[in-house]
Amino acid sequence: AQRVTQPEKLLSVFKGAPVELKCNYSYSGSPELFWYVQYSRQRLQLLLRHISRESIKGFTADLNKGETSFHLKKPFAQEEDSAMYYCALMGAQGGSEKLVFGKGTKLTVNP
Amino acid sequence: EPEVTQTPSHQVTQMGQEVILRCVPISNHLYFYWYRQILGQKVEFLVSFYNNEISEKSEIFDDQFSVERPDGSNFTLKIRSTKLEDSAMYFCASSESGTAKANYGYTFGSGTRLTVV
Repeated sequence: AQRVTQPEKLLSVFKGAPVELKCNYSYSGSPELFWYVQYSRQRLQLLLRHISRESIKGFTADLNKGETSFHLKKPFAQEEDSAMYYCALMGAQGGSEKLVFGKGTKLTVNP
Repeated sequence: EPEVTQTPSHQVTQMGQEVILRCVPISNHLYFYWYRQILGQKVEFLVSFYNNEISEKSEIFDDQFSVERPDGSNFTLKIRSTKLEDSAMYFCASSESGTAKANYGYTFGSGTRLTVV
């Protein structure tokens, strides 16, 4: 079964502090993993995908297959980073196309 | 930047009524999806659509739901007889190709908030 777990429903940090949003997954094959961000009352936007190993808006995420994790990190949080963050998995087995989302973490960056 | 467009942004309907949620995917995209998010809960997959047919659906997508691509641009989700528990934000998404799905995920619309009273 495919499952994505984001253990923190809420995360609050001060501006300039490091932030880590946790994501663990359960999948028997090799998954594709993504982070989506949803700013207040806006659409879900793709933030990061593990296949590209890129840094967007200062965020990075490394896939750790041993720990089945894909934590999202940023060394210095900014107030504009306040949003809902969703970790999502796409399983390649059986040609499935669906994204399985975690419950999301609401990040608040305080001034 | 191309966008997925959803209308209406908010719809209120009475229980038992039929609703049609509309989506205009990005023009060169071939794969289309509906997801929903009940307030306070996770985003859940409903259905995927490719080559004018459903390619995958979840257990949520029962006989009350149907999807259609009536013309070259619109992609609709119909709920035949709405229930209170259908109240949710419904997101449409599209993707360019099979490879793009894995590499880039999807492009989501801004959602339609459906309220069943």
